[in-house]
Amino acid sequence: EIVLTQSPGTLSLSPGERATLSCRASQSVARTSLAWYQQKPGQAPRLLIYGASSRATDIPDRFSGSGSGTDFTLTISRLEPEDFAVYYCQQYGSSPRTFGQGTKVEVK
Amino acid sequence: QVQLVQSGGEVKKPGASMKVSCKASGYTFTDYGVGWVRQAPGQGLEWVGWVSTYNINTDYAQKFQGRVTMTTDTSTSTAYLELRSLTSDDTAVYYCTRGGDFLRYWGQGTLVTVSS
Repeated sequence: EIVLTQSPGTLSLSPGERATLSCRASQSVARTSLAWYQQKPGQAPRLLIYGASSRATDIPDRFSGSGSGTDFTLTISRLEPEDFAVYYCQQYGSSPRTFGQGTKVEVK
Repeated sequence: QVQLVQSGGEVKKPGASMKVSCKASGYTFTDYGVGWVRQAPGQGLEWVGWVSTYNINTDYAQKFQGRVTMTTDTSTSTAYLELRSLTSDDTAVYYCTRGGDFLRYWGQGTLVTVSS
């Protein structure tokens, strides 16, 4: 099973700042099969990025993904108030699918 | 528009079984499998497994093998998750998803509480 480790656990930033979230895999993720999700309290997760770098429908271009192999990054170029949430990475290149433990982006 | 509507919350005793349904609409049900993900209170997301909607294939996470069954009913475009021998560790919100790769569409979640 591929273990995904996200860092940092919590990111304290102000609106307008840049957020950089990391997701490291215990072994190479096949075919850049890596997705990112945003989750707000009481809501289902929302797909942001798939294929490591492709934005999902209706996702603002301030969200971008990069990486391959074992190291992946989600970048939010300028934080908007609605971006403060928990973010998860997920690999779907092999079974079982696995999620990282999450990074909370909170208001500083 | 694509919708996944799940059944309501349940309270179960330890050792009992749960069965959650997920009714799909807005797309051809047999074009995508159905995945299941759970989230314990205050915790992260956990993959439970996936079921095909056009054959009998399933793919369960190892930790649930032997006590989980995922099925589908194509006549009603509904998927089901059954989990047996429940313990308090199974208390979680259970989500169904369209497909088993990247998860674009999610149900609203069903809270299952296991308590004596």
